[in-house]
Amino acid sequence: DGGITQSPKYLFRKEGQNVTLSCEQNLNHDAMYWYRQDPGQGLRLIYYSQIVNDFQKGDIAEGYSVSREKKESFPLTVTSAQKNPTAFYLCASSKDRYNEQFFGPGTRLTVL
Amino acid sequence: AQKVTQAQTEISVVEKEDVTLDCVYETRDTTYYLFWYKQPPSGELVFLIRRNSFDEQNEISGRYSWNFQKSTSSFNFTITASQVVDSAVYFCALPSIGAGSYQLTFGKGTKLSVIP
Repeated sequence: DGGITQSPKYLFRKEGQNVTLSCEQNLNHDAMYWYRQDPGQGLRLIYYSQIVNDFQKGDIAEGYSVSREKKESFPLTVTSAQKNPTAFYLCASSKDRYNEQFFGPGTRLTVL
Repeated sequence: AQKVTQAQTEISVVEKEDVTLDCVYETRDTTYYLFWYKQPPSGELVFLIRRNSFDEQNEISGRYSWNFQKSTSSFNFTITASQVVDSAVYFCALPSIGAGSYQLTFGKGTKLSVIP
């Protein structure tokens, strides 16, 4: 089955630690995205990547970093510089910018 | 700048009632697309529909229908004979297609509760 997988589903982090969220897709999509969702809010774009080895900042990139070494993978690192990282993180992919984005199941990050 | 407004924060209906979710958008693009997504309690966003601004015909898919009116910049979503499984948060979204942008602007969502 084609789709997007994210791991882990739940993640707990101590303050001051960096954590990496995994996102893998087997849809052969060129574009991948990371969003953050806070309770009662819509989605806000953190980073996106149009092709391998290229990525662009979204609206709220501060405190986050990404890499795109393979077409299938787009991991997100939440660094200690992110002041309020507790949120629900969603990864998505699309064929291109004109087509719909397909989403993974999400990772819920909690900072203790 | 792109903007999507979903004025209804929460709606509750009794099962089998019809319900319409409103979406109003702003864009300077002359050609654009609009999307609707469903987010059930599990959290994963499920794609429902993509509509091209060229096509103003209403779309029907089972109990779901969409009314696109370019003149009022609205793209409303109606669920007929609602069911408990329709309970979710629904998002309207508008991609920016200018200058290579991959930005997708989401509304804040409408939480629909269908009461048995």
